[in-house]
Amino acid sequence: EDKVVQSPLSLVVHEGDTVTLNCSYEVTNFRSLLWYKQEKKAPTFLFMLTSSGIEKKSGRLSSILDKKELFSILNITATQTGDSAIYLCAVEKETSGSRLTFGEGTQLTVNP
Amino acid sequence: GAVVSQHPSRVICKSGTSVKIECRSLDFQATTMFWYRQFPKQSLMLMATSNEGSKATYEQGVEKDKFLINHASLTLSTLTVTSAHPEDSSFYICSARSGTIYQPQHFGDGTRLSIL
Repeated sequence: EDKVVQSPLSLVVHEGDTVTLNCSYEVTNFRSLLWYKQEKKAPTFLFMLTSSGIEKKSGRLSSILDKKELFSILNITATQTGDSAIYLCAVEKETSGSRLTFGEGTQLTVNP
Repeated sequence: GAVVSQHPSRVICKSGTSVKIECRSLDFQATTMFWYRQFPKQSLMLMATSNEGSKATYEQGVEKDKFLINHASLTLSTLTVTSAHPEDSSFYICSARSGTIYQPQHFGDGTRLSIL
């Protein structure tokens, strides 16, 4: 059975801290791993990772994939209160018709 | 780019009513659209996948006669919750992706459905 496991499930930090969110997966026929940010509404797309070792970066956020160890990390530097959200990791398979398997999410709270 | 619009954002109605939710891709052609349901403090649960012009594929345990999905064009899919009951109250989210490989799903803002 396909599995996507995120850790930690919950994290509380102060503004300015750097955080690392983890996502490990066990799927057959892996195609890509995606990170989304969900605030009060639906998820917004952050990154799609398909190759090992290539860092994707957008402002203070970055992510990297290790296909050998089957995990990805999402880093957020100099956190701000606006980074407070649930961060979802999802995996797409080659054979799934583009369906995504989601992890449980990491609830990040950034306090001023 | 890659904007998905979902309407309505909030519905409150009486038990027994049928409710239609629309999902539109505004600036790309959505070969595939997905419908999810999300309970409080839980992750997204896929209900069904629809490809334009084809019948939707429902996940195990999702009643296709209860949740009618239509994907008649490359920019529009609808989910109709038929004869809704209080247990159908939930947050429903659609997503869409183009047919090109290595394209992410983009999500609408969701519809919060409350059945009284």
